[in-house]
Amino acid sequence: AQSVTQLDSQVPVFEEAPVELRCNYSSSVSVYLFWYVQYPNQGLQLLLKYLSGSTLVKGINGFEAEFNKSQTSFHLRKPSVHISDTAEYFCAVRLPGYSSASKIIFGSGTRLSIRP
Amino acid sequence: SAVISQKPSRDICQRGTSLTIQCQVDSQVTMMFWYRQQPGQSLTLIATANQGSEATYESGFVIDKFPISRPNLTFSTLTVSNMSPEDSSIYLCSVEGGFTEAFFGQGTRLTVV
Repeated sequence: AQSVTQLDSQVPVFEEAPVELRCNYSSSVSVYLFWYVQYPNQGLQLLLKYLSGSTLVKGINGFEAEFNKSQTSFHLRKPSVHISDTAEYFCAVRLPGYSSASKIIFGSGTRLSIRP
Repeated sequence: SAVISQKPSRDICQRGTSLTIQCQVDSQVTMMFWYRQQPGQSLTLIATANQGSEATYESGFVIDKFPISRPNLTFSTLTVSNMSPEDSSIYLCSVEGGFTEAFFGQGTRLTVV
């Protein structure tokens, strides 16, 4: 079975500073990996996804993530954060394909708080 | 991508009552998913709803408590029955795009008093 671990429940950073949100996954087979963002009082929005190919994935709002198979990690990074990036971030994993076994598994979330 | 509309966006309900949440998608989809997000927690899948068949429930969730309807390829409802304060959560409807990522509605914020 697949699982995903977000190592930090909360990450406070100052505005314009860089940030990295950590995510590790566990799977014996290839997986798809995702980062979602949930702004206050909203649903989830896809930031970026890794399906295959280049290990560096660029997403919306200046975020990027790097897939590292040897370390089973998919950390999210942004070189300079803005107040508007304050949100909850979820890492997620699923198996490729279309079956009941390929449901999306979400991590516990990381709350990113930006200080002015 | 898919645009998903959920109703109501929020509600405050008395314990012992039931609430039906509606989910409308702007395109036809095979599978629709219902998630629960308890306060300060991650998302937990409640069930998968396929059109024309009974929903498939995850461990810990039962049809009597969370009956689901899926009358066509663009619509589904989730009912939270005989509510208690422990049911206070955000309930999210979701669909998949091309068997890869998921798209979510804005969620229904339920408070049971």
